Amino acid sequence: QVQLKESGPGLVAPSQSLSITCTVSGFSLTSYDISWIRQPPGKGLEWLGVIWTGGGTNYNSAFMSRLSISKDNSKSQVFLKMNSLQTDDTAIYYCVREGFHWYFDVWGAGTTVTVSS
Amino acid sequence: DVVMTQTPLSLPVSLGDQASISCRSSQSLVHSNGNTYLHWYLQKPGQSPKLLIYKVSNRFSGVPDRFSGSGSGTDFTLKISRVEAEDLGVYFCSQSTHVPTFGGGTKLEIK
Repeated sequence: QVQLKESGPGLVAPSQSLSITCTVSGFSLTSYDISWIRQPPGKGLEWLGVIWTGGGTNYNSAFMSRLSISKDNSKSQVFLKMNSLQTDDTAIYYCVREGFHWYFDVWGAGTTVTVSS
Repeated sequence: DVVMTQTPLSLPVSLGDQASISCRSSQSLVHSNGNTYLHWYLQKPGQSPKLLIYKVSNRFSGVPDRFSGSGSGTDFTLKISRVEAEDLGVYFCSQSTHVPTFGGGTKLEIK
């Protein structure tokens, strides 16, 4: 069964950094690209970046200076790290598999991150 | 970035009605390879989005044939021929021809 599951800290203080782990099962990270997408409360979806099967990355220019995505294929894990969080970074963060026609075909349940002191 | 504009914001319908959602992009979504990477997702309350339609008009696995997509260039439409209760939620269009972006969403609700 194809699954993605995010695990994150829940609460982050302003100006601190965020680390989230996405653990996948049912497929290999050497066969599919993985994107991170977030959704602020009651709002729309925002693509953050992608890590490709070969390990290369591409980021939304709005986050390029403070976002890093990496992975460990052997552990089937993808990592998101974002620095200098502010209150408007409060959102549900999803890791998402990218299918063969550049769509997002399998989504994790998401992890809620609240930025607050 | 490519801006995706969806209308309407809210779409009240009666069960069994047809529903239509429009999505416009700020620039052409035709890729240099000839494909148009315009997709539709449905997010039900409390759930993650799920893929409905990919590349304008292709139904994803398991999606009922009452869902159909059409359009080209910068103008796209999602139609639901006979709305059922399980179709209620927020619909998002999205493009991946360029750096991926999403429309603001259309909430399909009971009239």
